[in-house]
Amino acid sequence: EAGVTQFPSHSVIEKGQTVTLRCDPISGHDNLYWYRRVMGKEIKFLLHFVKESKQDESGMPNNRFLAERTGGTYSTLKVQPAELEDSGVYFCASSPNLSGSAQYFGPGTRLTVL
Amino acid sequence: GENVEQHPSTLSVQEGDSAVIKCTYSDSASNYFPWYKQELGKRPQLIIDIRSNVGEKKDQRIAVTLNKTAKHFSLHITETQPEDSAVYFCAASNSGYSTLTFGKGTMLLVSP
Repeated sequence: EAGVTQFPSHSVIEKGQTVTLRCDPISGHDNLYWYRRVMGKEIKFLLHFVKESKQDESGMPNNRFLAERTGGTYSTLKVQPAELEDSGVYFCASSPNLSGSAQYFGPGTRLTVL
Repeated sequence: GENVEQHPSTLSVQEGDSAVIKCTYSDSASNYFPWYKQELGKRPQLIIDIRSNVGEKKDQRIAVTLNKTAKHFSLHITETQPEDSAVYFCAASNSGYSTLTFGKGTMLLVSP
């Protein structure tokens, strides 16, 4: 079974530019999560989709971040315009159902904003 | 909201020794506690998890204990090997809100 995949693995952009990250969850997983780890700190929750609906977006830092999951399959996370503090590793995870089941993580996208 | 504290931040042991990582959580409604291992440059990998109706769970050299009253849980690794070297994260969630709240991670270094 293929795991969670993310693209790109690395992205280096300048402040003010736009970046779009993509996540492909494990096939059949309705739940898709975005997390972020800023250097040296904990992994923090950003957003949770159930199929194509946003279940919880309380972790999104501000309106420069936009997440979509059209059709309930893959998801994109767009940062526009990017700021220096957006640098970090963005992880996507998926799980098959809602009740505290295991979440399987992707390899992450390392975003560097210069 | 939930807050998870994890200690120590770094842990160095000799091969063959045991390693213990401890976490505390604040939300008594949390009932699912996974542990993830992240090797350098790789994805966080679920290594073991425990639910609040269980006090202890073992999987070969790895065990997790949970004390609901004290709101803390621990990861125990016995007979450590160099390949156990990684960053370990504990997390907690409430099944009604399945997002995970993570600790800050423990860098475990196992020296041969």
